[in-house]
Amino acid sequence: AQSVTQPDIHITVSEGASLELRCNYSYGATPYLFWYVQSPGQGLQLLLKYFSGDTLVQGIKGFEAEFKRSQSSFNLRKPSVHWSDAAEYFCAVVAGEYGNKLVFGAGTILRVKS
Amino acid sequence: DVKVTQSSRYLVKRTGEKVFLECVQDMDHENMFWYRQDPGLGLRLIYFSYDVKMKEKGDIPEGYSVSREKKERFSLILESASTNQTSMYLCASRVSSRSGTSGLQETQYFGPGTRLLVL
Repeated sequence: AQSVTQPDIHITVSEGASLELRCNYSYGATPYLFWYVQSPGQGLQLLLKYFSGDTLVQGIKGFEAEFKRSQSSFNLRKPSVHWSDAAEYFCAVVAGEYGNKLVFGAGTILRVKS
Repeated sequence: DVKVTQSSRYLVKRTGEKVFLECVQDMDHENMFWYRQDPGLGLRLIYFSYDVKMKEKGDIPEGYSVSREKKERFSLILESASTNQTSMYLCASRVSSRSGTSGLQETQYFGPGTRLLVL
């Protein structure tokens, strides 16, 4: 069965520092991968998604992610973090017979210190 | 602009009550989903509907049922609420993935969530 692991429950970075959030997936074929962000008290917003082609994907708010098949990873990065990036981040993979559901990781809470 | 709304942001109910959570989308999407979100567990799929009157169980359907009478509305029902159903509930919608693989690439759009407390 498809699964997603986000090894870091919490990460704290200083404002202006670079960020990398880790995501590992388990899936037999080419995965469809997503990163979502959830600000406090809000629903989930899509940051970026990968289906095929270029393994470096650009998203909104200055985020990017790199798909590495050999490592079964899809890590999210940002070169310079802003205080408004403090939120919870979820990695997800499409699953199910018709790709009719998303399987989510447990999430990584990002704290930004000034 | 994409819009998924949920009827309540916060709900407090008593054990044994019947609870209805409503979700409405204005994007004419075929697929709709109900998830619950718990700390350390991420989001887990309760039920989804791939069209009107069509539904399938997700990963944790026990204690829940759903209703999809109109395309824009997907309701989650807790027949007899229990304290272990205290959680954040998120609704999402997406264009269809029933035909070929075109839907697999489509984004799920989420509502703001309903935080349910069962006493």
